Amino acid sequence: DTGVSQNPRHKITKRGQNVTFRCDPISEHNRLYWYRQTLGQGPEFLTYFQNEAQLEKSRLLSDRFSAERPKGSFSTLEIQRTEQGDSAMYLCASIGTGGNYEQYFGPGTRLTVT
Amino acid sequence: QQQVKQSPQSLIVQKGGISIINCAYENTAFDYFPWYQQFPGKGPALLIAIRPDVSEKKEGRFTISFNKSAKQFSLHIMDSQPGDSATYFCAAGVSGGYQKVTFGTGTKLQVIP
Repeated sequence: DTGVSQNPRHKITKRGQNVTFRCDPISEHNRLYWYRQTLGQGPEFLTYFQNEAQLEKSRLLSDRFSAERPKGSFSTLEIQRTEQGDSAMYLCASIGTGGNYEQYFGPGTRLTVT
Repeated sequence: QQQVKQSPQSLIVQKGGISIINCAYENTAFDYFPWYQQFPGKGPALLIAIRPDVSEKKEGRFTISFNKSAKQFSLHIMDSQPGDSATYFCAAGVSGGYQKVTFGTGTKLQVIP
């Protein structure tokens, strides 16, 4: 168990470009979450996967955002036509099966849109 | 709509003192209240959590107090240490749902020697 990993850790992109982030949850964790955290704020829920099924999406997830978890293991979050307002820390978290509610967070990917 | 309100925004405490952070929630469906600790450049890490069937939970130097009728809960850090300097987030969630949590805005704690 090496914890939740996220790549890249930092991404600088120009406005209008597309970016993709990857999250590898703790192995055998079937529930996976994406959050966005802006400076001085708490993380905000973006979307939730149970295995490969995307079961909930926040209104924060505009049409430019898409998330996938094709094999129920790692997940990707893509942002198309990035805007400066997309600059934030994107966090991934996972939970295992059973009645455990503890979300294990990754270190995040910090996106800067110039 | 901010469903979890947290105060203060920042806190400076002397080493050995007590740090107190307060949170209030609006959604009565919330039944899981975790506290997270976040260091710069790291993701949040669960510190301690409470369910509404108890009014207090203690783990080491960390204690959560919970007031269901007032819809308020607080974190007390006893004997605060410089290593406790971090940002603390309260959160609330619904255990029967997808276990997503709604975070407060955070409290930046600085413990000075």
